[in-house]
Amino acid sequence: EIVLTQSPGTLSLSPGERATLSCRASQSISSISLAWYQQKPGQAPRLLIYGASTRATGIPDRFSGSGSGTDFTLTISRLEPEDFAVYYCQHYGSSPPFTFGPGTKVDIK
Amino acid sequence: EVQLLESGGGLVQPGGSLRLSCVASGFTFTTYALSWVRQAPGKGPEWVSGISEAGGSTYYADSVEGRFTISRDNSENTVFLQLNSLRAEDTAIYYCARGNPFWSPFDYWGQGTPVTVSS
Repeated sequence: EIVLTQSPGTLSLSPGERATLSCRASQSISSISLAWYQQKPGQAPRLLIYGASTRATGIPDRFSGSGSGTDFTLTISRLEPEDFAVYYCQHYGSSPPFTFGPGTKVDIK
Repeated sequence: EVQLLESGGGLVQPGGSLRLSCVASGFTFTTYALSWVRQAPGKGPEWVSGISEAGGSTYYADSVEGRFTISRDNSENTVFLQLNSLRAEDTAIYYCARGNPFWSPFDYWGQGTPVTVSS
């Protein structure tokens, strides 16, 4: 089973700042099999990025993903007020389980 | 507009059963695999079960194998999750999500239905 670790657990930043979130896999995974989701309180997760770097439909270009192997990054270039939320990475593809990371909370400093 | 609407959650005693439903609209139901994903309070999501487009293939997480059963009715655009032998650790919000996790992420999610297992 592939285990995903996310860091930091909480990121305290101000609007307009750059956010860099990390997702590390316990073993090398294909970059086409890594997704990022955003979740706000009381809402379902929303797909942001798939294939490690492809933005989902309607996602603003301030969100970008990168990485390969075991290390992946989600970057928010300039935080907008609506970006303060919890972010999860997920591995899909090959075989179950299709694991999610524990999440990084981006909150307002 | 793609919509997934779950129902059927509630409070149940340990060892009890529930049947969750997810009604889909806004897309061609028969061309998409669907999954159930749950999220315990304060935790990350956990994939629980998936079903292929025609319903011929089903998949389960080890934690629910033998206790949960996924099915779908393509004439009603509905996917079901039968939860049996429920345990306290099954307490979570259960989401219906579109996509086949063998090769794609979950691109649309429902709003979720809460399941609480407690005596």
